[in-house]
Amino acid sequence: GIQVEQSPPDLILQEGANSTLRCNFSDSVNNLQWFHQNPWGQLINLFYIPSGTKQNGRLSATTVATERYSLLYISSSQTTDSGVYFCAVYSGNTPLVFGKGTRLSVIA
Amino acid sequence: SQTIHQWPATLVQPVGSPLSLECTVEGTSNPNLYWYRQAAGRGLQLLFYSVGIGQISSEVPQNLSASRPQDRQFILSSKKLLLSDSGFYLCAWRDRRGANVLTFGAGSRLTVL
Repeated sequence: GIQVEQSPPDLILQEGANSTLRCNFSDSVNNLQWFHQNPWGQLINLFYIPSGTKQNGRLSATTVATERYSLLYISSSQTTDSGVYFCAVYSGNTPLVFGKGTRLSVIA
Repeated sequence: SQTIHQWPATLVQPVGSPLSLECTVEGTSNPNLYWYRQAAGRGLQLLFYSVGIGQISSEVPQNLSASRPQDRQFILSSKKLLLSDSGFYLCAWRDRRGANVLTFGAGSRLTVL
């Protein structure tokens, strides 16, 4: 099956810093999502991005499907950005395959 | 708009007791439904998914079962809980006709003592 690798596994940032999270996947996929899991455990969809670039406020994401990777950019990080960021991929109606996540800690 | 409800939010159960977690989706029809578990650490493990009423696919053999008695209802059950069943259980849905975005419920935290 499809393998999803995320890097780095852990990241500590000073408030205001920028960061880039990476997601590599082992096979062609139709769709990709980025999620943020907040300290209460809820998984929030950030981007549905099978290809191209999207931006939402301080967050943006780019997926290069032909090269099998996606990047999540966080600019001017805030303490509320802390949590775990997951990348998940799927094809058609198959269930999502999740990476192991990047744990981000933003320090004031 | 579509919403997903999951309950109970928190549950503490003794070993050997039964379990029932419920998930319902509003505002859509014929969704794909999923149960995930997040144990120690941060990985999400797919337990069951369903593409229609009465259609259940199991990803991992275990002490749990799932049922879909109605189009927008998905239930996770166990007859006898084990300590290893402790974890954070997340229900999710996806609309096959739309943008295929997977949306999660708020989760149910289960502690088996």
